Amino acid sequence: GAVVSQHPSRVICKSGTSVKIECRSLDFQATTMFWYRQFPKQSLMLMATSNEGSKATYEQGVEKDKFLINHASLTLSTLTVTSAHPEDSSFYICSARDGGLAGGPSTDTQYFGPGTRLTVL
Amino acid sequence: QKEVEQNSGPLSVPEGAIASLNCTYSDRGSQSFFWYRQYSGKSPELIMSIYSNGDKEDGRFTAQLNKASQYVSLLIRDSQPSDSATYLCAPNTGGFKTIFGAGTRLFVKA
Repeated sequence: GAVVSQHPSRVICKSGTSVKIECRSLDFQATTMFWYRQFPKQSLMLMATSNEGSKATYEQGVEKDKFLINHASLTLSTLTVTSAHPEDSSFYICSARDGGLAGGPSTDTQYFGPGTRLTVL
Repeated sequence: QKEVEQNSGPLSVPEGAIASLNCTYSDRGSQSFFWYRQYSGKSPELIMSIYSNGDKEDGRFTAQLNKASQYVSLLIRDSQPSDSATYLCAPNTGGFKTIFGAGTRLFVKA
């Protein structure tokens, strides 16, 4: 159980285009999802916290108009990188919190998706 | 202030040995912890959670939590080259954001 999927797993795009990344919790409901970015050999960097039905909370230094986050349901959050540039090339990873909404106990465990590798040419 | 502190390593152990990964934390309110493993180029995967003082064993992995001393550790018995990865310790923040540190890089030599 507790599987989180991400799509696409890899994307290459031209500079100036927008890219949408989907994050789904497959077998549990997640009121909270998190979006991270990781550059090679660096730590996970939290970009934003996404709560179902409300606006995302962005970390300092993360442009909310560039990284659009939508969390429209308990199993789906999307991250759209708008007007992507080469410096946005990175590994984007989402995680979903198992809050025990489906009748089970809450463990508050974060489960990570497999990540999306974005390359902007 | 970081939530947890880990030695970044690399920690190098020979195959078959016990690898000991340690994590200290500053918030006495932290009640439980998670250990994640991240292979190079992959996303983190949950390997252990520990919710109470003492030891918790799962196969070759043993998590230890000492709330009085504010440390949590992960022991890997019979280390294998496939255990070579970065290990991340994270407190249970009750659904609030978790700021991950760099973790500890483990290298198991064949």
